Amino acid sequence: GENVEQHPSTLSVQEGDSAVIKCTYSDSASNYFPWYKQELGKGPQLIIDIRSNVGEKKDQRIAVTLNKTAKHFSLHITETQPEDSAVYFCAASIRNFGNEKLTFGTGTRLTIIP
Amino acid sequence: EPEVTQTPSHQVTQMGQEVILRCVPISNHLYFYWYRQILGQKVEFLVSFYNNEISEKSEIFDDQFSVERPDGSNFTLKIRSTKLEDSAMYFCASSETWGQVLREQYFGPGTRLTVT
Repeated sequence: GENVEQHPSTLSVQEGDSAVIKCTYSDSASNYFPWYKQELGKGPQLIIDIRSNVGEKKDQRIAVTLNKTAKHFSLHITETQPEDSAVYFCAASIRNFGNEKLTFGTGTRLTIIP
Repeated sequence: EPEVTQTPSHQVTQMGQEVILRCVPISNHLYFYWYRQILGQKVEFLVSFYNNEISEKSEIFDDQFSVERPDGSNFTLKIRSTKLEDSAMYFCASSETWGQVLREQYFGPGTRLTVT
């Protein structure tokens, strides 16, 4: 089955700097890669996703890149703000009509230092 | 904005007891999921459900687990005889399709299950 590795496990950056979180996946059939943000006591919230037919996607301060050949994808947060502090999870799935099983990475605890 | 809701937020039960965790998915969603997260670990897939049947289940989802959509709004996860290692946060999620395209999964806030 799919295996997703995520690095780093913890990351501290100064407010205003950029943060990068990296993930690798094992199953070349995976075609959908979402990123979730989890705040304390809450469920994972989707912040951005990318499909395998796209190499990069951006939404304001957040961007995701995908390298299918190397089987890795990354989350980039620019101009970080204190409210970006949370645990971030990458995930991968084979998105077929009618079924989707997300395989999550181990998470990155991001701390923004004011 | 519509959201997935879960009850209770925290459930404490004794080992061997049955528990039912409840979820109300977003109203027009037809695909439902349960995941669990043991404290400090990754979120793990348990089961997916569509058209009143299980689409896929993980090796964690053994005979002690069952899911049901008892009415038009609720989606439940039952654990028949809880074990200490079932202690975790359980997340329900739902998704919809736009034509043939499956959309993203929306997660509920979770139920923290503590087995003593």
